[in-house]
Amino acid sequence: GENVEQHPSTLSVQEGDSAVIKCTYSDSASNYFPWYKQELGKGPQLIIDIRSNVGEKKDQRIAVTLNKTAKHFSLHITETQPEDSAVYFCAASMGAGGTSYGKLTFGQGTILTVHP
Amino acid sequence: EAQVTQNPRYLITVTGKKLTVTCSQNMNHEYMSWYRQDPGLGLRQIYYSMNVEVTDKGDVPEGYKVSRKEKRNFPLILESPSPNQTSLYFCASSPRAGTEAFFGQGTRLTVV
Repeated sequence: GENVEQHPSTLSVQEGDSAVIKCTYSDSASNYFPWYKQELGKGPQLIIDIRSNVGEKKDQRIAVTLNKTAKHFSLHITETQPEDSAVYFCAASMGAGGTSYGKLTFGQGTILTVHP
Repeated sequence: EAQVTQNPRYLITVTGKKLTVTCSQNMNHEYMSWYRQDPGLGLRQIYYSMNVEVTDKGDVPEGYKVSRKEKRNFPLILESPSPNQTSLYFCASSPRAGTEAFFGQGTRLTVV
């Protein structure tokens, strides 16, 4: 089955700096790559996603890049703010036709701390 | 308000005492799933359901059961809980498989 590796496990930055979190996946059949933010005591919430027919996607201070050949994707947060502090998860999901269609396989998570 | 609702939020129980964690969504989503979250392991899928009466095992199904008799509800059943099922559990729903997942607030379960 799919395996998703996420690095780093913890990331500490100063307010205003950029933060980058990287994930690799194992199954080339995966075609949907969401990123989730989990604040303390809450469920994960989608912040951005990308499909395999796109190389990059931006939404204000957040961007995701995908390299299908190398099977890795990254989350970029610019101009970080203290409220960006949370746990971030990447995930990969396979498309229709496979036995694991639609199943989300998550990375291990990254604890991001933004210091004021 | 569109949401996924889990109950209870916190539960402490004893080994072997059957329990059910309820999950309900009001978005008419087809796809629902249960995950457990453990430190350093991320979220692992327990069971999922593609639609009413269609369920299948995820990565860690041992010790759990589910049912999907109605589109909106997807309860998680632990017939005989054991301490290794102590974890944080999340229910999620998606319009269809392979689309955005909406998560509930989580249920923190402790089995002593």
